[in-house]
Amino acid sequence: DTGVSQDPRHKITKRGQNVTFRCDPISEHNRLYWYRQTLGQGPEFLTYFQNEAQLEKSRLLSDRFSAERPKGSFSTLEIQRTEQGDSAMYLCASSQGVGGHNEQFFGPGTRLTVL
Amino acid sequence: GEDVEQSLFLSVREGDSSVINCTYTDSSSTYLYWYKQEPGAGLQLLTYIFSNMDMKQDQRLTVLLNKKDKHLSLRIADTQTGDSAIYFCAEKGSNAGKSTFGDGTTLTVKP
Repeated sequence: DTGVSQDPRHKITKRGQNVTFRCDPISEHNRLYWYRQTLGQGPEFLTYFQNEAQLEKSRLLSDRFSAERPKGSFSTLEIQRTEQGDSAMYLCASSQGVGGHNEQFFGPGTRLTVL
Repeated sequence: GEDVEQSLFLSVREGDSSVINCTYTDSSSTYLYWYKQEPGAGLQLLTYIFSNMDMKQDQRLTVLLNKKDKHLSLRIADTQTGDSAIYFCAEKGSNAGKSTFGDGTTLTVKP
C-alpha cells in the first residue's frame, strides 16, 4: 500500500453513460497524475496537477474527459458519454516537489469496463 | 515525441540472472526508472538512475545506462519465483511532470 487510494476499484458501465473516479494522494504531496493503462501496454500519461493547477494535458485527453483537483488535495477524473475504447485501468499517482526525481507513488487503479 | 521500447517476454530459471533491456528516444531524458507490476497490484518503483550515471547497484538489482545508445538495462541476480512480474522501463525529463513508459517485459521465473 503506497498511501495513494482510488475509488472505486472497479466500474462497469454502459456505453454513453458518465463515470467519475476519485483519487486521494499522499497528504503532503503537491503533484497528482492520471495515467491510463490498457491490457498489454504501459501506463499512458493523461494529465497532472501541481496543487490545484492543471499543468499539462495529453492529446489522449479528449473533450469527453475532465479532471479537477479543486483544493489541491483529492482529484476526480470524469469521462462523459463513455465509449468501449475507454475501457482501461485508470491509475493515479502523487509526488512531492517540483522538478528533479520526485518519485511517483501509484495507487491501485480503477478498472473501467464499458459495455 | 518520447518513445520507450522493451522486449515483451523473458523466461529464466530460478537462481539464474535476468536481464531486461529498454531503449528510449528522448535525448533530454534525465531520469530513467524501472517499475514492477504484479497481478492485481499497483506499480512499484524498483530503482532509478540519473542520466549522468552509468551504473547503479541496489542489492540484487543492477541498472546499466548507455546514454550514447539510449539503452537501459535491469539485471536481477539470483532470480526468484517471486520476481515473476511485468517490469516497466520509464523516462522523465528534468522539469517534466509526466513519465513515459514502455509496454513492459513479462518476466517468468521457472523453478
